Amino acid sequence: DTGVSQDPRHKITKRGQNVTFRCDPISEHNRLYWYRQTLGQGPEFLTYFQNEAQLEKSRLLSDRFSAERPKGSFSTLEIQRTEQGDSAMYLCASSPVLDSEAFFGQGTRLTVV
Amino acid sequence: GQNIDQPTEMTATEGAIVQINCTYQTSGFNGLFWYQQHAGEAPTFLSYNVLDGLEEKGRFSSFLSRSKGYSYLLLKELQMKDSASYLCAVSHAHASGGSYIPTFGRGTSLIVHP
Repeated sequence: DTGVSQDPRHKITKRGQNVTFRCDPISEHNRLYWYRQTLGQGPEFLTYFQNEAQLEKSRLLSDRFSAERPKGSFSTLEIQRTEQGDSAMYLCASSPVLDSEAFFGQGTRLTVV
Repeated sequence: GQNIDQPTEMTATEGAIVQINCTYQTSGFNGLFWYQQHAGEAPTFLSYNVLDGLEEKGRFSSFLSRSKGYSYLLLKELQMKDSASYLCAVSHAHASGGSYIPTFGRGTSLIVHP
């Protein structure tokens, strides 16, 4: 399967702990997006990479969130000092060229207890 | 900022036609996506409109009017499997760096009943 892969699929963590998610985009897709989605809402943009460069970041994104894409391939999203409000589905998507269809992964469902 | 509005929920009968509307207000608009998302699954691409007009793709069609900030998704010959959330997403130049980023509406939950 050469789709977008996310790991883990589910994560339960205690409030205050740090968590890290991984996304492997479709190979040769140099554009990568992270979104967050809560029940009954559409995906909310978090950050965007073109190759290894983080070009866009949502102004709503707390400084507890950080993302990397060190070699322009896979990406990681880290949340420090998790809060209950961070509970959501974290979606990764990739696309081959600017302003084209984005292919989404199955997401990582985070539950903060 | 961006303002994207679509109905929260719609119901329709199997075999019928349904139109899901989306209105938007945004700066740096480039185009409009429609995605389908089944419960618990990832969004999947349906269509992308950049120019005004109707684009047809099988049972699904999408329309865009840039001057009116309006789009709709038309689903024909509805099937039970079409029950899903339909997400309207505007591609626009992001405030900070100018990259085109899809910004999603909250989605329209479509329920198809027999």
